Amino acid sequence: GQQVMQIPQYQHVQEGEDFTTYCNSSTTLSNIQWYKQRPGGHPVFLIQLVKSGEVKKQKRLTFQFGEAKKNSSLHITATQTTDVGTYFCAGAAAGGGADGLTFGKGTHLIIQP
Amino acid sequence: NAGVTQTPKFRVLKTGQSMTLLCAQDMNHEYMYWYRQDPGMGLRLIHYSVGEGTTAKGEVPDGYNVSRLKKQNFLLGLESAAPSQTSVYFCASRSGDTEAFFGQGTRLTVV
Repeated sequence: GQQVMQIPQYQHVQEGEDFTTYCNSSTTLSNIQWYKQRPGGHPVFLIQLVKSGEVKKQKRLTFQFGEAKKNSSLHITATQTTDVGTYFCAGAAAGGGADGLTFGKGTHLIIQP
Repeated sequence: NAGVTQTPKFRVLKTGQSMTLLCAQDMNHEYMYWYRQDPGMGLRLIHYSVGEGTTAKGEVPDGYNVSRLKKQNFLLGLESAAPSQTSVYFCASRSGDTEAFFGQGTRLTVV
C-alpha cells in the first residue's frame, strides 16, 4: 500500500531560525495536504497542493510539491513560538479513492526562545 | 459552526469492557474516517465510510467495528477493550478530494 515518509521526526530550533519538513510518497500522488496540530489539539488543515511543481505561500510558510508529485516540503521562515506543534503531510493516491489520506508520522517542531 | 463533534472527550475503560465513540458532522460530507494517534506513529486509519450504510477497513481495523446508519454520524465500537487500544481517537470528514475536518479527539485509556 501507499506509504508516506516524513522527516525529521523532531526539530529543535531557536526562535527566529528557519524550519523545513520533508515528505516523500512511495507512489505518485493526486494531491498532498498539510496539517498542523497544536499540542493537545487536533489536526487543522493548512493547504492543498495539486499541480506538479506547485509552490504556495502563506505568510512565513512556503509549501512545495515536487515535479514527480511524489514529494513535498514545508518551510517556515523566522519561526515564532506560535509555530510550535506537529506538522503532518497527507497524500491522496493518484486515481482517486475515498479511503482517506495517508498521513506521514509528522514532524514535531520545538522552539526554544 | 459545529463542524465535527466527537463524544466522549475522555474515557477510562477496564480491559474487556465495551464502548462506542460517536462522531457527528453537520457539513453534509460523504466521507467519514476514524483514526488513532499514538506517539511516534502519526495518524493511522482504522475504518472509513464513503456514504450512509457503507463502511470499509483501513490500516488497523482489528478490534474495532463501525456503523454509519445516518450520513451525519459515524460510530466506532470497541467490543472488548484491550490496553493496546489506549490511544487518542480522531474522527474526520470530507467531501470528495478536499480537506479533512477533524473532531477534537477522544482520549481513551484502557487499564
